[in-house]
Amino acid sequence: DTGVSQDPRHKITKRGQNVTFRCDPISEHNRLYWYRQTLGQGPEFLTYFQNEAQLEKSRLLSDRFSAERPKGSFSTLEIQRTEQGDSAMYLCASSRQLAVNTDTQYFGPGTRLTVL
Amino acid sequence: GQQVMQIPQYQHVQEGEDFTTYCNSSTTLSNIQWYKQRPGGHPVFLIQLVKSGEVKKQKRLTFQFGEAKKNSSLHITATQTTDVGTYFCAGPYRANNLFFGTGTRLTVIP
Repeated sequence: DTGVSQDPRHKITKRGQNVTFRCDPISEHNRLYWYRQTLGQGPEFLTYFQNEAQLEKSRLLSDRFSAERPKGSFSTLEIQRTEQGDSAMYLCASSRQLAVNTDTQYFGPGTRLTVL
Repeated sequence: GQQVMQIPQYQHVQEGEDFTTYCNSSTTLSNIQWYKQRPGGHPVFLIQLVKSGEVKKQKRLTFQFGEAKKNSSLHITATQTTDVGTYFCAGPYRANNLFFGTGTRLTVIP
């Protein structure tokens, strides 16, 4: 399978615990994105990497959230001191940089987080 | 701030009927993308429109970008049960990121 993969697919945690999610993009894609999606809503942009550089962070990304892409390949998203409001589907997407227009983004299956 | 609204929010159609969802942006868009998300699935890219007034077809799906590049539509002819899902439009947000619309959830009754 050469698509975007995410791990784990489901995570249940207690309030106050830390969680970390992993995303493996399509191998030749240099851009990687994290989104959050709650029930009945469209995906909301969280952050974006080009290679290993984190170029954009949404205001939605509080200081409890941190993302890394240390070698420009896989990425991790960590949420510290989880809150019930963090319960959502966390989607990762990747793209290959194009010269013009907005890249086509390919989404992974997501990690569904439930904070009890 | 940027807003992308879609109407309707929900649509139930009998199999074989046509379906249209409309996307309206508060700002002019350089391009617009459409994604489909099946129940329990993840968004899957359908198409990107770039030019003012552009119309593109994919089998039973017809996509249109408005002349002012602030609105778009997706029309499905003769819906099938495989068309079930939520259709999102998305516009560029700060060049490469996407700002997704509110989505239209399509149910097809066999």
